[in-house]
Amino acid sequence: KAGVTQTPRYLIKTRGQQVTLSCSPISGHRSVSWYQQTPGQGLQFLFEYFSETQRNKGNFPGRFSGRQFSNSRSEMNVSTLELGDSALYLCASSLEGHSTNTEAFFGQGTRLTVV
Amino acid sequence: DAKTTQPNSMESNEEEPVHLPCNHSTISGTDYIHWYRQLPSQGPEYVIHGLTSNVNNRMASLAIAEDRKSSTLILHRATLRDAAVYYCILRDVGGFGNEKLTFGTGTRLTIIP
Repeated sequence: KAGVTQTPRYLIKTRGQQVTLSCSPISGHRSVSWYQQTPGQGLQFLFEYFSETQRNKGNFPGRFSGRQFSNSRSEMNVSTLELGDSALYLCASSLEGHSTNTEAFFGQGTRLTVV
Repeated sequence: DAKTTQPNSMESNEEEPVHLPCNHSTISGTDYIHWYRQLPSQGPEYVIHGLTSNVNNRMASLAIAEDRKSSTLILHRATLRDAAVYYCILRDVGGFGNEKLTFGTGTRLTIIP
């Protein structure tokens, strides 16, 4: 089956602009999580969506937001971009819930560069 | 989230076993131990997870100490493709909806040909 697909793979934006990243999870997966990876901070959890509702949120400012559609596809938006937002943004999908304690499947990420 | 401690880096010769340690002294009874790895230019990928008993799968083995305060990921015969950053993560399944993964700094494994 197809894996997690993230688009675009690379993006260059200017400070102050906004950006929208897209993630298509594995078919049947209802949970989508977003992570930011930088050399200085490593991998940090942004938020998780399940059945179109934000279920968990990390410690990021309100400029970072997301949503999930009825087909489980998810988008992440960053407004008023700052140079420090330059990072690899990773999306992960998994089956619902915690009881099965299933694995998360990651996409290859979107490399965002803010200039 | 309970914290894990891993060595920053390790080296191993190709085709030899590799033992990657992880300390998690504050682990709770509902924490599962997960391992992920991240190959260069890729997103993390799941390796293995366990609760109390040792676990084996096609990729690796997970040995969990009896007191659960430490664990070891074992790659039985390392190949160059195993060069990656390995993350040991604790996942609390005490409540519904905890898909969050808290990554530490991980161990960068270098395989020497």
